[in-house]
Amino acid sequence: DARVTQTPRHKVTEMGQEVTMRCQPILGHNTVFWYRQTMMQGLELLAYFRNRAPLDDSGMPKDRFSAEMPDATLATLKIQPSEPRDSAVYFCASGLVLDGRTGYNQPQHFGDGTRLSIL
Amino acid sequence: TQLLEQSPQFLSIQEGENLTVYCNSSSVFSSLQWYRQEPGEGPVLLVTVVTGGEVKKLKRLTFQFGDARKDSSLHITAAQPGDTGLYLCAGGNTGTASKLTFGTGTRLQVTL
Repeated sequence: DARVTQTPRHKVTEMGQEVTMRCQPILGHNTVFWYRQTMMQGLELLAYFRNRAPLDDSGMPKDRFSAEMPDATLATLKIQPSEPRDSAVYFCASGLVLDGRTGYNQPQHFGDGTRLSIL
Repeated sequence: TQLLEQSPQFLSIQEGENLTVYCNSSSVFSSLQWYRQEPGEGPVLLVTVVTGGEVKKLKRLTFQFGDARKDSSLHITAAQPGDTGLYLCAGGNTGTASKLTFGTGTRLQVTL
């Protein structure tokens, strides 16, 4: 079974440090999503890409977060500088969307997340 | 902003009991997906419903999309410990370029 791979699985670091999370989408998928999950806010969409181009990053705090897709097999989410309120589980998901008008019907395949703790 | 409220938030039941989880919104959605998430893992898609009034069955799980496409329900018959997890509904709409709005979640625990 093809899976989305996220690294690292766990990260503990001090406030102010740069954090980079990586995601390898399922081969052949053209859409990649980054989510953040907390007990209080649930699952929030931070940003997503189609064919490596950013479509929407309105859910992301722009001053400290950045998301990129250097190539089709790698998506990155960076936080610099990190703050304690960034502590959460970050998920990457990928999907295959051939028609943007009905793409909402397509399944999103999630990785197992990066559990981030900022001290 | 479209919101999806799920109820109940938490549910603890014994094996063999039936339960229903609700997903409600004041907005219309073009489709509704249900995911289940187990501890330490990402959500996994269970089903997608796209037509108002549609009912889909997946073994002991029955999913229904409301006639007005503003709500959905998930019914589990004879719950088993393996059904334990976080259930999330997610709504999609034409023009949102495959973006989903996730519900607040229902955490289910099934005990022996």
